[in-house]
Amino acid sequence: GESVGLHLPTLSVQEGDNSIINCAYSNSASDYFIWYKQESGKGPQFIIDIRSNMDKRQGQRVTVLLNKTVKHLSLQIAATQPGDSAVYFCAEKQDSGGGADGLTFGKGTHLIIQP
Amino acid sequence: DVKVTQSSRYLVKRTGEKVFLECVQDMDHENMFWYRQDPGLGLRLIYFSYDVKMKEKGDIPEGYSVSREKKERFSLILESASTNQTSMYLCASKGGGANYGYTFGSGTRLTVV
Repeated sequence: GESVGLHLPTLSVQEGDNSIINCAYSNSASDYFIWYKQESGKGPQFIIDIRSNMDKRQGQRVTVLLNKTVKHLSLQIAATQPGDSAVYFCAEKQDSGGGADGLTFGKGTHLIIQP
Repeated sequence: DVKVTQSSRYLVKRTGEKVFLECVQDMDHENMFWYRQDPGLGLRLIYFSYDVKMKEKGDIPEGYSVSREKKERFSLILESASTNQTSMYLCASKGGGANYGYTFGSGTRLTVV
């Protein structure tokens, strides 16, 4: 089946720097994408989403960019803080209609913040 | 604050035991999901349900079953636990409408010995 993947399993950044986490997807029919953050010992938490009719969406300190031409999704975190240390997952939803609209998740990137 | 609650954070069971993992959501969501999470494999969908008494197989249903007798509760059942079912199990729910974001529980780490 189609897959959603991440370029790097681990990303290490200095506190205060900007972080960019990348995700490649293969299904051009996907119409909705989400980024999740999972801290140690907790379930994934919704960060930000974007629909396929957009190429950029901003939240608080986070920005998601979508490039449909190359099927690439990225999450940018501004001024990275220790509390940003977590595993980040991208997820995609295919416009299949009906059912429970299951998401397909990437394998995750572990963001490590260096003091 | 909306919640998805999984009844146990940690469980240790013996091979061959029947195991029940419970999940309750208080958001009146129609859709509920069970995933397992393993290092290097990410989240894999086991079963999902889009309504009471309805269930659908996900990507890895073998060795599992589910029950959805009430809208708020979705149970995952391991009929005869095996060591390869040692994993982190995550329950999620999702309402209808344009917001497709899932709300996840905190997870149950199951060890089968």
